[in-house]
Amino acid sequence: ETGVTQSPTHLIKTRGQQVTLRCSSQSGHNTVSWYQQALGQGPQFIFQYYREEENGRGNFPPRFSGLQFPNYSSELNVNALELDDSALYLCASSLEGQSSPLHFGNGTRLTVT
Amino acid sequence: QKEVEQDPGPLSVPEGAIVSLNCTYSNSAFQYFMWYRQYSRKGPELLMYTYSSGNKEDGRFTAQVDKSSKYISLFIRDSQPSDSATYLCAMRPASGGYQKVTFGTGTKLQVIP
Repeated sequence: ETGVTQSPTHLIKTRGQQVTLRCSSQSGHNTVSWYQQALGQGPQFIFQYYREEENGRGNFPPRFSGLQFPNYSSELNVNALELDDSALYLCASSLEGQSSPLHFGNGTRLTVT
Repeated sequence: QKEVEQDPGPLSVPEGAIVSLNCTYSNSAFQYFMWYRQYSRKGPELLMYTYSSGNKEDGRFTAQVDKSSKYISLFIRDSQPSDSATYLCAMRPASGGYQKVTFGTGTKLQVIP
């Protein structure tokens, strides 16, 4: 069973730039969620994708957007980067339904300077 | 007030000790409760997943949920140096159509050999 994989592992960007992070879901999982984890904090829900559509969003501005592809892989795009966007970005996959737990990748560490 | 409160620690214990980790929450809609372990520079790893109130045991780990008190616990028996990590409690409601999970800030545990 292949777990959740994310790329790249580290990224350094300048304020105002745009970034794309990628995620391959665990084999058999059809739902992908993205979380932002600031240093010393718990992960914060950004949004979830199911059947290639966003079906839930947390308290993040529209410059955070995403895609899910037919093979259930996903991208997170962040435009107009701000210094506060520096964080670990985590992708989690799961099966549809409330009873399915989230399985996380190892994240992408984004630093905005 | 945060929906989920968790003592950030750090918590230092000698090898072999029983560790108790706790979270309180305010949202009575939470029905699914999870504990994740996160090693440095890694993504969260699911340890325990429970529904509603009660106890669940898995090896050296026991999860307890007391919905009447809005209080959950994770006990680690015979703690090992390899248990040194940050432990995140997490929870979500049974309804809502999507799988937004709310996390605590995490408790950093160090097990001293």
